[in-house]
Amino acid sequence: NAGVTQTPKFRILKIGQSMTLQCAQDMNHNYMYWYRQDPGMGLKLIYYSVGAGITDKGEVPNGYNVSRSTTEDFPLRLELAAPSQTSVYFCASSWSPNEKLFFGSGTQLSVL
Amino acid sequence: GDSVTQMEGPVTLSEEAFLTINCTYTATGYPSLFWYVQYPGEGLQLLLKATKADDKGSNKGFEATYRKETTSFHLEKGSVQVSDSAVYFCALLNTGNQFYFGTGTSLTVIP
Repeated sequence: NAGVTQTPKFRILKIGQSMTLQCAQDMNHNYMYWYRQDPGMGLKLIYYSVGAGITDKGEVPNGYNVSRSTTEDFPLRLELAAPSQTSVYFCASSWSPNEKLFFGSGTQLSVL
Repeated sequence: GDSVTQMEGPVTLSEEAFLTINCTYTATGYPSLFWYVQYPGEGLQLLLKATKADDKGSNKGFEATYRKETTSFHLEKGSVQVSDSAVYFCALLNTGNQFYFGTGTSLTVIP
């Protein structure tokens, strides 16, 4: 059972480039989340979704976009990469907003 | 706003030593409290949780008690093993269904 799958695991971008971080879950969860973790900091919520076609901003959404066309997939888009977006990105999903989160293994992104 | 503060690492212990990782929180109302663990190369996994004051969460020999009076949820284990080496995150879920995570504490257990 795959759970939450994130790709890629590592990526280096140049300033101004764009990319999409992929996230897929096979547990039929309605709720999906994107977090980032900066060194020495806790996880910060970027965007979340409560179901296909519904997304909303979290605590640190600037510089990112998301879409949720299916229950399974929740990609995160960086349009103009900046050094401040160097971080580890985690995707997570859950049955409901007050249930435990299932996390992917993370994407380590460096913007140089 | 709501927040979680956990002890800074890294923590290095010998096998069979006693472990405590401190966690305190700030939140209005009555949040649920969690410990998540991240093993090398993997995503975070739920270790234990407590949903109301004086509840004790436990799993795999780890325990944590929800203390409302001290706003704490310290993680303890009586005898750590090498396989417990990981990063441990304290988290709260507030009454608005928002998660807040601590910074994580890295634990290394040496044989």
